[in-house]
Amino acid sequence: GENVEQHPSTLSVQEGDSAVIKCTYSDSASNYFPWYKQELGKRPQLIIDIRSNVGEKKDQRIAVTLNKTAKHFSLHITETQPEDSAVYFCAASMSNYGQNFVFGPGTRLSVLP
Amino acid sequence: EAQVTQNPRYLITVTGKKLTVTCSQNMNHEYMSWYRQDPGLGLRQIYYSMNVEVTDKGDVPEGYKVSRKEKRNFPLILESPSPNQTSLYFCASSVGQGIGYTFGSGTRLTVV
Repeated sequence: GENVEQHPSTLSVQEGDSAVIKCTYSDSASNYFPWYKQELGKRPQLIIDIRSNVGEKKDQRIAVTLNKTAKHFSLHITETQPEDSAVYFCAASMSNYGQNFVFGPGTRLSVLP
Repeated sequence: EAQVTQNPRYLITVTGKKLTVTCSQNMNHEYMSWYRQDPGLGLRQIYYSMNVEVTDKGDVPEGYKVSRKEKRNFPLILESPSPNQTSLYFCASSVGQGIGYTFGSGTRLTVV
């Protein structure tokens, strides 16, 4: 089955700097890759996603890149703000087979003022 | 307001006492799923459902049951809970394949 690895497990950046979180997946059949943000005590919330027919997607300060050949995808947050502090999860799934999302273990991002 | 509602939010129970965690969504979503979240392990899928009466196992289905008799409801049943099922549980729904899940607020379950 699919296996998703995520690095780093913790990340501290200064406010205004950029943050990058990387994930790798094992199943080349995976074709949908969402990213979730989970603030302390809250539910995971979808922040951006990408499909395998696209190499990059941006939404304001957030971007995701996908390298299908290397089977990895990354989340990029620019101009980080204190409210970006949270745990971020990547996931991979085969969108033509149910909705079996496999999540990475998460990255705790701390944005220091 | 579009949402996924889980109940209860917190539950403490004893080993072996059957329990049900309810989940309901008001968005007419086809897909629903249950996840458990444990420190260092991320979110692991227990079961998912693609439509009424259609369910499939996720990665950690042992010790759990689900049913999907109505489109809006997807209860999680623990027939004989054990301490290793102590966890934070999330229900989620999605409008279709290849579209991200919307998560409920979570149920923190403790089995003693």
